[in-house]
Amino acid sequence: AQSVTQPDIHITVSEGASLELRCNYSYGATPYLFWYVQSPGQGLQLLLKYFSGDTLVQGIKGFEAEFKRSQSSFNLRKPSVHWSDAAEYFCAVGALTGGGNKLTFGTGTQLKVEL
Amino acid sequence: NAGVTQTPKFRVLKTGQSMTLLCAQDMNHEYMYWYRQDPGMGLRLIHYSVGEGTTAKGEVPDGYNVSRLKKQNFLLGLESAAPSQTSVYFCASSQDQRSGANVLTFGAGSRLTVL
Repeated sequence: AQSVTQPDIHITVSEGASLELRCNYSYGATPYLFWYVQSPGQGLQLLLKYFSGDTLVQGIKGFEAEFKRSQSSFNLRKPSVHWSDAAEYFCAVGALTGGGNKLTFGTGTQLKVEL
Repeated sequence: NAGVTQTPKFRVLKTGQSMTLLCAQDMNHEYMYWYRQDPGMGLRLIHYSVGEGTTAKGEVPDGYNVSRLKKQNFLLGLESAAPSQTSVYFCASSQDQRSGANVLTFGAGSRLTVL
């Protein structure tokens, strides 16, 4: 079964600073990888996804993520954080199973942005 | 375009009471899911449906029942609520579950408190 680890529960960065959120996955085949963002009181919104091809993927709101198969990682990055980026971020891996596709989520990283 | 709508948004129950959460999607998606979100545990799949009239168990199905009588609706029922079911519940839908590249659209969540 697949699994996702987000080692950082909380991260605080200053506005304008760069950001990297870590995500490590475990899956025996080629993974389908996702980053979702959840603003307070809201549902989850897709930031970006990796299916195949170029290992550097661009998403909405200026985010990008890089798939590194050798490290089983899919870290999320942003060059300059804005105060509105404060939210919780979830990494997820999708894979086909006998019962159909299942998305497995990490436990999330809460991002705080200091002004 | 409403996307995925969940009702109610908030509910307080006493132990042993029953209730139903309703999820409605207007995107003609085949696949629908119910997740629960608890602090430090990310999102865990309760039940899902691969089409009208079909349901299947997810990771944490005990204490919940679901029904998919119409393609656009997915109901989550608690027959006898317990304090351990205090959580935020998210409904999601997707167009194609047969591929691991499965992008979910989420509702805004339903916060349930069981006293």
